[in-house]
Amino acid sequence: AQSVTQLDSQVPVFEEAPVELRCNYSSSVSVYLFWYVQYPNQGLQLLLKYLSGSTLVKGINGFEAEFNKSQTSFHLRKPSVHISDTAEYFCAVSRYSGGYQKVTFGTGTKLQVIP
Amino acid sequence: NAGVMQNPRHLVRRRGQEARLRCSPMKGHSHVYWYRQLPEEGLKFMVYLQKENIIDESGMPKERFSAEFPKEGPSILRIQQVVRGDSAAYFCASSPSAGGSSGNTIYFGEGSWLTVV
Repeated sequence: AQSVTQLDSQVPVFEEAPVELRCNYSSSVSVYLFWYVQYPNQGLQLLLKYLSGSTLVKGINGFEAEFNKSQTSFHLRKPSVHISDTAEYFCAVSRYSGGYQKVTFGTGTKLQVIP
Repeated sequence: NAGVMQNPRHLVRRRGQEARLRCSPMKGHSHVYWYRQLPEEGLKFMVYLQKENIIDESGMPKERFSAEFPKEGPSILRIQQVVRGDSAAYFCASSPSAGGSSGNTIYFGEGSWLTVV
């Protein structure tokens, strides 16, 4: 089984300040890791993904995440946030099992950027 | 290249009616997933389908819910005799293959918001 924990349900941050959204996972096998963003009343948009290789992954909109295998973490970071980054962010893990991708999502972190 | 298309985007049903949600995967994708997002909760897996086959329905409620992905046409998530607790956003996602070492990403549609009154 696999699980994802996003400890922070809400993160307020001032505009142009840095932000880190935390994600920890557990799995007995190798997994792939993803961050998705959801704007109000919209679907999920892929921000970035880690499949293999470099542990620092760069995504869209200036976001990046670092895979840390020893700490089983995949925290999302942005050095300077904008108002437009206000949204909900979901961390997800995926593993190949039983012939298909099993994807498990965290409960989400709402990022509120304060002007 | 059109993304995953879901319709209707918003659906209102009275208790006891049926709700049908449709999903057309991205071009070239033959794997479809349905997820449900309840208010203030994350996404919960419901069912995974390939063309004409239900592969994993471990997340589907035992009654009133069914899904299909016919050889031709979109995937359908059907909810019979809806109750207020079915009010949620239902997301469809698709991938080009089952993944494996390539770790294929699944792509999401814009969602269908069901409101039961």
